[in-house]
Amino acid sequence: QSVLTQSPSASGTPGQRVTISCSGGRSNIGSHTVNWYQQLPGTAPKLLIYSDNQRPSGVPDRFSGSKSGTSASLAISGLQSEDEADYYCAAWDDSLNGLVFGGGTKLAVL
Amino acid sequence: EVQLVQSGAEVKKPGESLKISCKTSGYNFATYWVGWVRQMPGKGLEWVGIIYPGDSDTRYSPSFRGQVTISADNSISTAYLQWSSLKASDTAIYYCARRVVLARTAYFFDFWGQGTLVTVSS
Repeated sequence: QSVLTQSPSASGTPGQRVTISCSGGRSNIGSHTVNWYQQLPGTAPKLLIYSDNQRPSGVPDRFSGSKSGTSASLAISGLQSEDEADYYCAAWDDSLNGLVFGGGTKLAVL
Repeated sequence: EVQLVQSGAEVKKPGESLKISCKTSGYNFATYWVGWVRQMPGKGLEWVGIIYPGDSDTRYSPSFRGQVTISADNSISTAYLQWSSLKASDTAIYYCARRVVLARTAYFFDFWGQGTLVTVSS
């Protein structure tokens, strides 16, 4: 049972916009910024969004992040087949004094 | 160019010890935290712990405290994760990653190693 809650799966067709949500609490998302990681099949995770809504250099602007209270979202617009991956949210947790991840959302591009 | 290169896959028996490594380059090793993340087969990411090589300050997830040891060698810019007595349930891919601290409430892992598969089986 992950501290941060994500839907296990999501799907969309090419060109669509999909949103992945991440729910937490006051000790994690409510107190710290949220980061999103993309894990393509068989590869290491890659930083996709940091500090709630910032994109590292090289990440397309199709990817965007937002946060409100104790929940965060990752939006992917103009969905492409190469976006098929697992997506994880993460935030520091003051109660655990450690990093917590969401359980991950497997995105399928139909 | 920042790089984290991990040691190769390991196959061990229960009860054996193991130390895997994460060799870094392209940045000042002593001034960034390095963390470890576990991914069990077919499962999600779990934070194991983190070390600040500059002063060896180390933090562990409650789930892993006492089960593993994290260390670092500044002279060769390398972080380590070790077990004294492996269990079958330690079978997983272990990733190292560099942590950036932007503010007291803003941290993230920006560069990741390729992962080390640890298989523990009798």
